[in-house]
Amino acid sequence: QQKVQQSPESLIVPEGGMASLNCTSSDRNVDYFWWYRQHSGKSPKMLMSIFSNGEKEEGRFTVHLNKASLHTSLHIRDSQPSDSALYLCAASRNTGNYKYVFGAGTRLKVIA
Amino acid sequence: EAAVTQSPRNKVAVTGGKVTLSCNQTNNHNNMYWYRQDTGHGLRLIHYSYGAGSTEKGDIPDGYKASRPSQENFSLILELATPSQTSVYFCASTASQNTLYFGAGTRLSVL
Repeated sequence: QQKVQQSPESLIVPEGGMASLNCTSSDRNVDYFWWYRQHSGKSPKMLMSIFSNGEKEEGRFTVHLNKASLHTSLHIRDSQPSDSALYLCAASRNTGNYKYVFGAGTRLKVIA
Repeated sequence: EAAVTQSPRNKVAVTGGKVTLSCNQTNNHNNMYWYRQDTGHGLRLIHYSYGAGSTEKGDIPDGYKASRPSQENFSLILELATPSQTSVYFCASTASQNTLYFGAGTRLSVL
């Protein structure tokens, strides 16, 4: 069974600080990684995706992917209280079934 | 943005009763999914579908059935509900290998 491990389970950062979240898949056939953000009481919404080795930046958010180690990380700079949420990592394969497997998530709290 | 509608939003059921959770999408997406979310487990896949008439087992299908009678509708059925099925259930849809769009969720309590 495909598994996605996320760390840390929870994270507290000061407003304006940097938050770093990690995610690793145990499935060597995974090709795509996704980061979803879920605010309390809401449904998950896609934040960023990455399919190729390297780095991708969108505003304050940067995602890295190392396909050899099946590891992705999400970095949030200049963190804001509105970034406080559950961050979910998902992985999917390029071929065959179109299952999206999620990790347990990292709960981020940004304190003013 | 793609729209996914779940009903009901909240449901209280009795142990041994039958529960049907409904999901409707008007995005013409082929793929639809049912997840449950429990603290410490993230989102766990119950059933999914590639299109009308198809259903596939996810990672935790035991105790659940699914039905996809049309492109737009995907239902999750608990024939004999148990307290361990108390959870928040999310439906999602996507075109192949694309962003998942989630419904607002259904909070189910089985007493």
